[in-house]
Amino acid sequence: QSVLTQPPSASGTPGQRVTISCSGSRSNIGSKVVNWYQQLPGTAPKLLIYNTNQRPSGVPDRFSGSKSGTSASLAISGLQSDDEADYYCAAWDDSLSGYVFGTGTKVTVL
Amino acid sequence: EVQLVESGGGLVQPGVSLRLSCAASGFTFSNFWMHWVRQAPGKGLVWVSHISPDGRTTNYGDSVKGRFTISRDNAKNTLYLLMNSLRAEDTAVYFCGRDLFGPTDFWGQGTLVSVSS
Repeated sequence: QSVLTQPPSASGTPGQRVTISCSGSRSNIGSKVVNWYQQLPGTAPKLLIYNTNQRPSGVPDRFSGSKSGTSASLAISGLQSDDEADYYCAAWDDSLSGYVFGTGTKVTVL
Repeated sequence: EVQLVESGGGLVQPGVSLRLSCAASGFTFSNFWMHWVRQAPGKGLVWVSHISPDGRTTNYGDSVKGRFTISRDNAKNTLYLLMNSLRAEDTAVYFCGRDLFGPTDFWGQGTLVSVSS
């Protein structure tokens, strides 16, 4: 079982803004940077956000990350049908001396 | 072109060992931390292990600690994962990855390991 908790699902209509939460603890999100990944069906994951709020080259600015205390969030604005995917947060955990992924959130575009 | 190609997966019985390989090309392999991440069918991502560029530092996830060993051969541009005492719950697609938690991440396409009697 993961130490980072995400809602199982989230949805929105095209153009809407969707936010996904990731709840952790002081040993991970509370003291470390957070990454976010997108996984399209049948493909390898892709990094969307690193260092909590930085976008790798090529990731649209519709995707943004933030953190407050022991929780982090990924926001997707201007939702598009191509955004239908599973999304995962991740962080280093000092107590485990390893990385942990969130439980994952499936985003559906209605 | 950056490429990571995993191999070595397959159907094995519980208790046996298996070694996965990940052949890297298109970048300076010896400069990067490398990782293994797995995903059981229909389930989420689980970080398995990582290794420093020089191979001296390794860490493991709790579910594989003491059973799996990560290693690398920088001369051969290859990452390895030796999996001992395999269990049914180790059944998953295993992805190798470069710098998975930094801005230059790159993932392989994965290799399926199935553990069943």
